[in-house]
Amino acid sequence: EDQVTQSPEALRLQEGESSSLNCSYTVSGLRGLFWYRQDPGKGPEFLFTLYSAGEEKEKERLKATLTKKESFLHITAPKPEDSATYLCAVGGSARQLTFGSGTQLTVLP
Amino acid sequence: AAGVIQSPRHLIKEKRETATLKCYPIPRHDTVYWYQQGPGQDPQFLISFYEKMQSDKGSIPDRFSAQQFSDYHSELNMSSLELGDSALYFCASSRGGGNNEKLFFGSGTQLSVL
Repeated sequence: EDQVTQSPEALRLQEGESSSLNCSYTVSGLRGLFWYRQDPGKGPEFLFTLYSAGEEKEKERLKATLTKKESFLHITAPKPEDSATYLCAVGGSARQLTFGSGTQLTVLP
Repeated sequence: AAGVIQSPRHLIKEKRETATLKCYPIPRHDTVYWYQQGPGQDPQFLISFYEKMQSDKGSIPDRFSAQQFSDYHSELNMSSLELGDSALYFCASSRGGGNNEKLFFGSGTQLSVL
């Protein structure tokens, strides 16, 4: 059974204070690791897909990296508008995605 | 760009009533997924369809059923509603039969069972 664990559950940062979110996973045959951003009351918004260890992707202040056991979402100099819940999901033996519980990020001005 | 459309946006029902949630995928997307997200919880996979056939089944109660129609829209039918069914129900679509292509999510239907 595919499993995803995200940490921390919640993170409060000052504007400009860089940090990283962690996503640990166990999966039978990783087909893809996905990062989504979710704002309250809205559907998850796609950010990145990573397929193999060593892969990195960047988008504005976000950078996602992947190893064989975990993925990190690095946030550089965050702004208040980056506040959201960040969800990690894996596609493995099953065709549907298995989500983690998310990290609720709050960036204070 | 067109996104995944879900209706209704909010739904309030009494216990033991039925509810129907609708999902219209992005044009040319052939795969639809349904997820249930309780308050403060991660999305839980319910069921998916590819080319109008059920492709995967997750933790969907027997009281729920779903189908995908010829125009690729999907409906989730929920009967004998229970208080625990109160949640945000998301539909997502993709192209390619569920080979873990990125999913595009709708804004969800907030179901409240009283």
